[in-house]
Amino acid sequence: QVQLQESGPGLVKPSETLSLTCTVSGGSISSYYWSWIRQTPGKGLEWIGYIYYSGSTNYNPSLKSRVTISIDTSKNQFSLKLSSVTAADTAVYYCARVRFIAAAATHWFDTWGQGTLVTVSS
Amino acid sequence: SYELTQPPSVSVSPGQTARITCSGDALPKQYAYWYQQKPGQAPVLVIYKDSERPSGIPERFSGSSSGTTVTLTISGVQAEDEADYYCQSADSSGTIEVFGGGTKLTVL
Repeated sequence: QVQLQESGPGLVKPSETLSLTCTVSGGSISSYYWSWIRQTPGKGLEWIGYIYYSGSTNYNPSLKSRVTISIDTSKNQFSLKLSSVTAADTAVYYCARVRFIAAAATHWFDTWGQGTLVTVSS
Repeated sequence: SYELTQPPSVSVSPGQTARITCSGDALPKQYAYWYQQKPGQAPVLVIYKDSERPSGIPERFSGSSSGTTVTLTISGVQAEDEADYYCQSADSSGTIEVFGGGTKLTVL
């Protein structure tokens, strides 16, 4: 049973870069897409983006200018960087495994980490 | 930007049937997915590809699709089903993933 665990600072200052890592255990990171999703009280769940094990990415256009998702297959980890953060970026951040059917251009999230709260404040 | 619309809340008595809808213009051509989230926990996938049920999800959970609306049905609702439910799908191009605003299911 694959498990995901987010890690990183719980407090980030405004204008700085939020950095989180997701460690995948119980299975290989290869042959899957992996995603970051966040949840704020006011906006519910928001998809941030996903990365294929090969390194190809797809980002939410609303965040694309500030987001970078990377992957390290040797460590079974993938990471999120969100730059120029503001209070609006305060949220619980989840990492998730993505299942997909290429022919149908469809993706879904079948396994989630427990989530980590990141607060943006000085 | 593309949106999925859910009712904010649904209430049912134990043993009754709960139906939660999700509407979006691209749903006729995109699959929909449903997640259950209990307080303080991560979302859990309960329905995929409109109507398929992952292993370990009780049979009382089912999904259906009709035009621009998909529906999550919970038959014989139990107290443990009280949670927030979110639908998820993609825009018509299949490149942007979107979640509905969530529906709070209250078991009276």
